[in-house]
Amino acid sequence: DVKVTQSSRYLVKRTGEKVFLECVQDMDHENMFWYRQDPGLGLRLIYFSYDVKMKEKGDIPEGYSVSREKKERFSLILESASTNQTSMYLCASSLDGYEKLFFGSGTQLSVL
Amino acid sequence: AQKVTQAQTEISVVEKEDVTLDCVYETRDTTYYLFWYKQPPSGELVFLIRRNSFDEQNEISGRYSWNFQKSTSSFNFTITASQVVDSAVYFCALTHNTGFQKLVFGTGTRLLVSP
Repeated sequence: DVKVTQSSRYLVKRTGEKVFLECVQDMDHENMFWYRQDPGLGLRLIYFSYDVKMKEKGDIPEGYSVSREKKERFSLILESASTNQTSMYLCASSLDGYEKLFFGSGTQLSVL
Repeated sequence: AQKVTQAQTEISVVEKEDVTLDCVYETRDTTYYLFWYKQPPSGELVFLIRRNSFDEQNEISGRYSWNFQKSTSSFNFTITASQVVDSAVYFCALTHNTGFQKLVFGTGTRLLVSP
């Protein structure tokens, strides 16, 4: 079975901390994504990567950065966490183009 | 800009009832793809269906069926004879106008099926 694994299911951090959210896929997919999910807002794309070391901003990139040093791993970085970044973060991957996304189980991040 | 509207925030039905989840989209593209995903309580979104803009045929998969109508910019999802296991949040999504790899999601519809 294909697998997208997010390192933490729940995470609690303090305002101002640097936060790393890790995601690994085992399907040799080209594309990887970070979305955040908030009640009433659905899923919104933060960043997208279409190859190693290649990235593209999504619809809400402010306050976030990403890293993709290896094909299977895509990290989301909150340089200085703020309370408005409390959210569910979902990682996904896809083979190419308009192919379906495979999602991880999500990381519920609380910033206090 | 792309937009997906799921006007139904939450729907409650009793087992064995039929239920339709609405999805209305906006795009200026002539080529695009539409998707439905299911998010059960475990949290992991699961792909249900993909439809491209040139294929308006309705699709049926077991108790699930989809009605795609370009004339009304709608891609509705019907569950026939609902079951408790259908309880989940359902998302409709549209390919982004800056690249097919990316999706624009609706706000989701929470379906509660009670025994």
